[in-house]
Amino acid sequence: NAGVTQTPKFQVLKTGQSMTLQCAQDMNHNSMYWYRQDPGMGLRLIYYSASEGTTDKGEVPNGYNVSRLNKREFSLRLESAAPSQTSVYFCASSEWSGRGGNQETQYFGPGTRLLVL
Amino acid sequence: EDQVTQSPEALRLQEGESSSLNCSYTVSGLRGLFWYRQDPGKGPEFLFTLYSAGEEKEKERLKATLTKKESFLHITAPKPEDSATYLCAVQASGGFKTIFGAGTRLFVKA
Repeated sequence: NAGVTQTPKFQVLKTGQSMTLQCAQDMNHNSMYWYRQDPGMGLRLIYYSASEGTTDKGEVPNGYNVSRLNKREFSLRLESAAPSQTSVYFCASSEWSGRGGNQETQYFGPGTRLLVL
Repeated sequence: EDQVTQSPEALRLQEGESSSLNCSYTVSGLRGLFWYRQDPGKGPEFLFTLYSAGEEKEKERLKATLTKKESFLHITAPKPEDSATYLCAVQASGGFKTIFGAGTRLFVKA
């Protein structure tokens, strides 16, 4: 049981280049998320997928696209990278628990460190 | 607007010196409040979920408490291996969005 895996671990891009960040989970979770983490700003939600076949914008979606390929995989694409997208990107998946099954706990991957020059 | 504020930004303790981290929040209907631990270069690791005011949860040297406006993470007799960034997050009812605070960096010196 690997949990949430992300590739690549580290990437350097030039402004204007494109790339796709890959994420997979083996916990049979329905919901998956992409966050970015910047110093002093906490984690900010980029996109999420409540279930296979659905995706929705989060707090900072501009400049990104996502694909929920199947229940296991959720990819994040940068079509034309900009220096402002230099960040650490985390993928997460979640399970529902608690009283009434209405509390969600997110499990995070190890992150992808992206530098855009 | 839903918001989470953590204080202090950084906390330096001697081994064995107990203290507390604060998480203040405003949210339109709290579904749950979460605490995570994050080590350098790694993803956040889940610690606790608190659902309602008055609730408390413990794990080893950590104890989390919740009121209607804030949560505390109490660290009793910390050890150097407790050094990490501790993140607080809230979920509002009716949505999928989890709102994170900026975190408290804890340093425990032997």
